[in-house]
Amino acid sequence: EDQVTQSPEALRLQEGESSSLNCSYTVSGLRGLFWYRQDPGKGPEFLFTLYSAGEEKEKERLKATLTKKESFLHITAPKPEDSATYLCAVRRNYGGSQGNLIFGKGTKLSVKP
Amino acid sequence: EADIYQTPRYLVIGTGKKITLECSQTMGHDKMYWYQQDPGMELHLIHYSYGVNSTEKGDLSSESTVSRIRTEHFPLTLESARPSHTSQYLCASSERAGSREKLFFGSGTQLSVL
Repeated sequence: EDQVTQSPEALRLQEGESSSLNCSYTVSGLRGLFWYRQDPGKGPEFLFTLYSAGEEKEKERLKATLTKKESFLHITAPKPEDSATYLCAVRRNYGGSQGNLIFGKGTKLSVKP
Repeated sequence: EADIYQTPRYLVIGTGKKITLECSQTMGHDKMYWYQQDPGMELHLIHYSYGVNSTEKGDLSSESTVSRIRTEHFPLTLESARPSHTSQYLCASSERAGSREKLFFGSGTQLSVL
């Protein structure tokens, strides 16, 4: 069964304390892995798309990497404004409904000053 | 910044009422989606549309219905709301660009059925 698992469920960091969030997936034919950020009371906001193992994308303090089994979202020297829930999603290599995104449950990140 | 709007933001209603959740986007996107999200859980796709007059059911079975009469408008309707329908409903849109399409989400409607 196609599945996306994110860990940890929650992560509390001090400002400036770098860490990584994990997204492991089991899908038959990956057409893309997506990272979104979701703030309380809002819809998810797109961050990155990765398509092949070895690919990396960066945006400010965030860096996303992809292997054949998992993706990491590295957060370097986080600030309180980075506090949010980070969602991982994959698109499968199927047509119709099967080509739509499968989301993980997310990692809730809290950064204390 | 994404231009996709959902109304109302919050809705509290009694069991048996008919409700319509509104979703509009001004980006001219062909594809639109409805997701359901409960606290601490995954987003689940309940409906999607490829364009005008196209509606499809998603991965999660839902008693709701949708329509797509205009490109920019994708309302979701529940004929008779029940407490089990209490959830957050998120609308999204994307350009039809294959595997590279990214979703733009609205802020959601938090529905509570008493």
